[in-house]
Amino acid sequence: EVQLVESGGGLAKPGGSVRLSCAASGFSFSSYSMNWLRQAPGKGLEWVSFISTGGSHIYYAESVKGRFTVSRDNGKNSLYLQMDSLRAEDTAVYYCAREYCGGGTCYSDYWGQGSRVTVSS
Amino acid sequence: EIVMTQSPGTLSVSPGERVTLSCRASQSISTDLAWYQQRPGQAPRLLIHGASNRATGIPARFSGSGSGTEFTLTISSLQSEDFAIYYCQQFNNWPPITFGQGTRLDIK
Repeated sequence: EVQLVESGGGLAKPGGSVRLSCAASGFSFSSYSMNWLRQAPGKGLEWVSFISTGGSHIYYAESVKGRFTVSRDNGKNSLYLQMDSLRAEDTAVYYCAREYCGGGTCYSDYWGQGSRVTVSS
Repeated sequence: EIVMTQSPGTLSVSPGERVTLSCRASQSISTDLAWYQQRPGQAPRLLIHGASNRATGIPARFSGSGSGTEFTLTISSLQSEDFAIYYCQQFNNWPPITFGQGTRLDIK
């Protein structure tokens, strides 16, 4: 069974840092690209970052570029999101999601349960 | 950036009814569109990929159609567990991957 479990969320001050982790199991983690997405309270879904299987291709949303860093450790089946210079508008539930590509298209087929990050003084 | 627009924002429907949700892309995305369902307090769940392919384990009452810029998600006979928020997402021209703002299905 595919499982993605996020951890590391909590309360941070503006300008502070948080590191999220996503532990993957039930599939060959190193064979899949991964995404981080988020959902602010009462709002819709927003894509945050993408990392390819080996980490050679990385992309960020403009809203987090230069402040967030995505990484992965395939030996530990884990995905990370280092969040620095946090702002109030970064308050959200953060999801990791597996990206599946097939049939000429891609989509996020499995999602974690989410980790809540609150940025407040 | 491709903008995804969903309509309506909220739909009040009765169990057993047929409902159609719409999603429009600001430029052609071929069939690189997915639909997700999000129940309160839960993570999104993949329903449809490639515009019309049901994900594993998704009931046949869910169907997707469309290509280019116009897409629809149809639920043929609403069940109580279908009252949720539905999002479309494009994977054609990215980054960024973009979502519609969601359509909320409420019980009438």
